Amino acid sequence: GAGVSQSPRYKVAKRGQDVALRCDPISGHVSLFWYQQALGQGPEFLTYFQNEAQLDKSGLPSDRFFAERPEGSVSTLKIQRTQQEDSAVYLCASSFERGHYSNQPQHFGDGTRLSIL
Amino acid sequence: KNQVEQSPQSLIILEGKNCTLQCNYTVSPFSNLRWYKQDTGRGPVSLTIMTFSENTKSNGRYTATLDADTKQSSLHITASQLSDSASYICVVSSDPSGGSYIPTFGRGTSLIVHP
Repeated sequence: GAGVSQSPRYKVAKRGQDVALRCDPISGHVSLFWYQQALGQGPEFLTYFQNEAQLDKSGLPSDRFFAERPEGSVSTLKIQRTQQEDSAVYLCASSFERGHYSNQPQHFGDGTRLSIL
Repeated sequence: KNQVEQSPQSLIILEGKNCTLQCNYTVSPFSNLRWYKQDTGRGPVSLTIMTFSENTKSNGRYTATLDADTKQSSLHITASQLSDSASYICVVSSDPSGGSYIPTFGRGTSLIVHP
């Protein structure tokens, strides 16, 4: 497809389980971002990749959160030992240019809605 | 701390009317300001992007303005349509020369257009 694809669209997990969320960015896009969006809030930055390099992970809330983009295309956000406060929509976005030259639009996926029971 | 404040939090208007949404920010140093439209259950879609030197940008019935001196932006929607019902999010990015690129998002304005 032409847009950013995220899977699964919905994920329900029990507290303590590990989850993995996938993002397929637009082909050829250099920059990839992960955001967390709580209900009724704006997205909050989690981490940023330029190709395969994770240049900024300052937004990851704890060491239970881990993101990778090993070949510079598909990215996975992993959450270990999930907690109820991890329940949110996780959005992925990509853009053509490097994030340091940020005047290009970011293209968002529709997100993964994660619910921790 | 970088912050983006949007007002109003929610807005209800009749179809065909105009409306203006506000965004105030304290992000520094400034790089650019973006407005996004987010439909329920979907990801945000870019409407406009403005840099420091731009004070207005249009995209169809959407017109964004930027006053970098007062650190304010507005999004004006003309002749509203039912499909304009969505959350409108203001996002301000820092100048990346000082380090990594981290955008600051507002909480959004929820717009409902009634027939």
